[in-house]
Amino acid sequence: DGGITQSPKYLFRKEGQNVTLSCEQNLNHDAMYWYRQDPGQGLRLIYYSQIVNDFQKGDIAEGYSVSREKKESFPLTVTSAQKNPTAFYLCASSIVHQETQYFGPGTRLLVL
Amino acid sequence: ILNVEQSPQSLHVQEGDSTNFTCSFPSSNFYALHWYRWETAKSPEALFVMTLNGDEKKKGRISATLNTKEGYSYLYIKGSQPEDSATYLCAPWGFGNEKLTFGTGTRLTIIP
Repeated sequence: DGGITQSPKYLFRKEGQNVTLSCEQNLNHDAMYWYRQDPGQGLRLIYYSQIVNDFQKGDIAEGYSVSREKKESFPLTVTSAQKNPTAFYLCASSIVHQETQYFGPGTRLLVL
Repeated sequence: ILNVEQSPQSLHVQEGDSTNFTCSFPSSNFYALHWYRWETAKSPEALFVMTLNGDEKKKGRISATLNTKEGYSYLYIKGSQPEDSATYLCAPWGFGNEKLTFGTGTRLTIIP
C-alpha cells in the first residue's frame, strides 16, 4: 500500500530536549511538507522540501530543523529553542510542489 | 501570509438537507485553490484543486465553485449524510507565495 507514515503517534518532550518526528512516504513524491496545528488555527507550514537535499522555511520555522537526505524521508526535529512545541504535527507530500498534497496520520507532541 | 477566511466556523445540518460554506481569499496573484476534507481521527484528504475563474468541480454529492476575481469559493454538499461530518479546509496558493495557506476550516456535523 502506498502512503505516508508518521511516527510516533504520541511523543513526549522534556524541557530542553530535542525530539525528532519521523515522516516516510513510498509514493515517489518529490515534495514533502511539515505542518503544525494548534486549536482554533489553520494548518501552518513549518518547512517544505521540493527535492532531495533542498528545503525551505515555511511561516513558522523558528525552533525547528529538517533534513531531506532521501526522497522518501523528511524528519522534523523540534529543538529546545521551540518554546511552545505542544501541538499536532502533520506531514504531507505531493508529486511535485504545488500539486495535491497527501497527508500522514500525524504526531501529537506533548511537553512534560 | 495570505488572509484566508472560512465561514461559518461550524455548522449542524440535518441528514438529507443540503448545505454550503465559503472560503474567502485575496484575489490578487491567485494561482490555485485546494479543498480538503478532514474527518476526525483520519488524515486530511484532498477534494478539489481549482485554478480557473468560474471553475466548477464535482465529486459525488460534493461540488465547488471558484470566483478568482472576487476571491471566494463555495463548497456545496447535496443531501448530507452522516459520513459527510468532517472539517472542510480550503487553501489558496498565490504567485509569489510558494505554499498553501490554510483557512481554519468549517466544521460540519450531520444530525441523523
